[in-house]
Amino acid sequence: QKEVEQNSGPLSVPEGAIASLNCTYSDRGSQSFFWYRQYSGKSPELIMSIYSNGDKEDGRFTAQLNKASQYVSLLIRDSQPSDSATYLCAVSRDNYGQNFVFGPGTRLSVLP
Amino acid sequence: NAGVTQTPKFQVLKTGQSMTLQCAQDMNHNSMYWYRQDPGMGLRLIYYSASEGTTDKGEVPNGYNVSRLNKREFSLRLESAAPSQTSVYFCASRADRGLDQPQHFGDGTRLSIL
Repeated sequence: QKEVEQNSGPLSVPEGAIASLNCTYSDRGSQSFFWYRQYSGKSPELIMSIYSNGDKEDGRFTAQLNKASQYVSLLIRDSQPSDSATYLCAVSRDNYGQNFVFGPGTRLSVLP
Repeated sequence: NAGVTQTPKFQVLKTGQSMTLQCAQDMNHNSMYWYRQDPGMGLRLIYYSASEGTTDKGEVPNGYNVSRLNKREFSLRLESAAPSQTSVYFCASRADRGLDQPQHFGDGTRLSIL
């Protein structure tokens, strides 16, 4: 079992819809969780971080964390074609977040 | 406003050659990281450095060495390149040991080994 799993996609949603991206992790001791967006040929850029159970909202983005189920998700409301990218889930394995593990990423395509 | 700078951006090597990938950050960050990214496998941590003078192995350290030259610079060396090391290499840095501190990435080095 991989440490961090994501559906590889592609996930296709129409413009204006809600895109839901999911991530599961195997290490129950994981402390913090990150969502990155990566455009083709570019470097990853941070969208959100979360380390407490529940929801965290930032603009059109909402991260959800359920440590009991070892599950973290990212919702993108009012999806735009510019949101088309690969979304990487990252999990920190220690208290100070020095050692990160990334999932394989989910490719999102927002259709105009 | 450079952030994290990686050099070179592209490189082609022959099997058995050596080379060093350079990374420098101007954000006064304590932690620095080296990742490789292969198609369908996301980012895999090669080595990281929590502070100047310290380095630790990540998930895939075999075939690589690193040096944290000072607080700004963290280099990755391939002593004897192998085709399996063909990949995109990203350097990242991070400020403090806070739970929600993000990593900042460089633009990457695209390395091909023939």
